[in-house]
Amino acid sequence: QKEVEQNSGPLSVPEGAIASLNCTYSDRGSQSFFWYRQYSGKSPELIMFIYSNGDKEDGRFTAQLNKASQYVSLLIRDSQPSDSATYLCAVGTTGGSYIPTFGRGTSLIVHP
Amino acid sequence: NAGVTQTPKFQVLKTGQSMTLQCAQDMNHNSMYWYRQDPGMGLRLIYYSASEGTTDKGEVPNGYNVSRLNKREFSLRLESAAPSQTSVYFCASSVASSYNEQFFGPGTRLTVL
Repeated sequence: QKEVEQNSGPLSVPEGAIASLNCTYSDRGSQSFFWYRQYSGKSPELIMFIYSNGDKEDGRFTAQLNKASQYVSLLIRDSQPSDSATYLCAVGTTGGSYIPTFGRGTSLIVHP
Repeated sequence: NAGVTQTPKFQVLKTGQSMTLQCAQDMNHNSMYWYRQDPGMGLRLIYYSASEGTTDKGEVPNGYNVSRLNKREFSLRLESAAPSQTSVYFCASSVASSYNEQFFGPGTRLTVL
């Protein structure tokens, strides 16, 4: 059974701070890692993906992957109230008809 | 490009009624998926279609059937709705490359009374 674990939160940070969201996974064969943002009442939206160990930056977002520790994180710099949402971590293996496994999500609240 | 579209957006059924949820994508993706999302449970895979002509069960397939009508369309059918199927249903698609980023439709909110 492939498991993806996230702290449900809520994680509350002040505007302008760095928000750090964490995700651990059980399948050592996992090769691809995704972060989705989901606003209340809306569908998940892909914001980041990472495949190699290390950091990947895109604007205010940085994804960090450590395959040895089976850990992936998302950092949001200069957090804004508009970043308030649930962040879903998804983990998949390459090839074939693989299906990503989703975590239950972490609720982020950015307060002014 | 509309991306992934779903119909209907909302639906209320009585126990035992049947209905079909429709999904279509215009991104020329090979793979399509149906998920349900319940409070505190995250996204759970119901069925998926890796490519046109194939379908497979996911984590929670009981009470559902699917049809991959063509490359664009993937429908989900509830033959005899039960209150436990009250949920938000999302359709998604992906290229089906090695890296498989998924793109989601807006969802269908289903209530079964």
